[in-house]
Amino acid sequence: DAGVTQSPTHLIKTRGQHVTLRCSPISGHKSVSWYQQVLGQGPQFIFQYYEKEERGRGNFPDRFSARQFPNYSSELNVNALLLGDSALYLCASSPPRGREETQYFGPGTRLLVL
Amino acid sequence: RKEVEQDPGPFNVPEGATVAFNCTYSNSASQSFFWYRQDCRKEPKLLMSVYSSGNEDGRFTAQLNRASQYISLLIRDSKLSDSATYLCVVRNTNAGKSTFGDGTTLTVKP
Repeated sequence: DAGVTQSPTHLIKTRGQHVTLRCSPISGHKSVSWYQQVLGQGPQFIFQYYEKEERGRGNFPDRFSARQFPNYSSELNVNALLLGDSALYLCASSPPRGREETQYFGPGTRLLVL
Repeated sequence: RKEVEQDPGPFNVPEGATVAFNCTYSNSASQSFFWYRQDCRKEPKLLMSVYSSGNEDGRFTAQLNRASQYISLLIRDSKLSDSATYLCVVRNTNAGKSTFGDGTTLTVKP
């Protein structure tokens, strides 16, 4: 079975630009979460979506937004990029409600902001 | 103070050694607990869930103490392939949020 997939794998942007990152969950998973991981730190929670609705939001500015589509794939959008947004962006999906605590991560998108 | 704190490490141990990692969390509303393993430049992968009764998976044993808000991971008979960063995770399902520690790096040497 295919795991969580993310695209693109790598991305280089300049300050002020915007970026869209994409994630496809494991088949049958309805919950998707997004995380930001900077070098030397653990992943920081950005958003969780379940059944196309936002279920949780971390401490990130409004420049960060996300959505989930009817097929449960998801997009993370970041506007007005800053140098500090350079990080590994991870997407994780969870099994259907009742076992949703376990999260499976995709390989991530490495974003570099110059 | 961070919500989830781990031993800073790094831990450098010989093959066959036993090593223990500790983790404390501050949010008493946390409901689920996990250890993840992350290899260099890879995504985190679930190692094991952690239950109050303690649980074991081969050479790995995890313990949870809700009263002290403390989680541990014990690795016995360390292998070279155990070299990685180990991340402690606490989850508040109601808030839809998982909080990760910054990880502890383990290097197992021949």
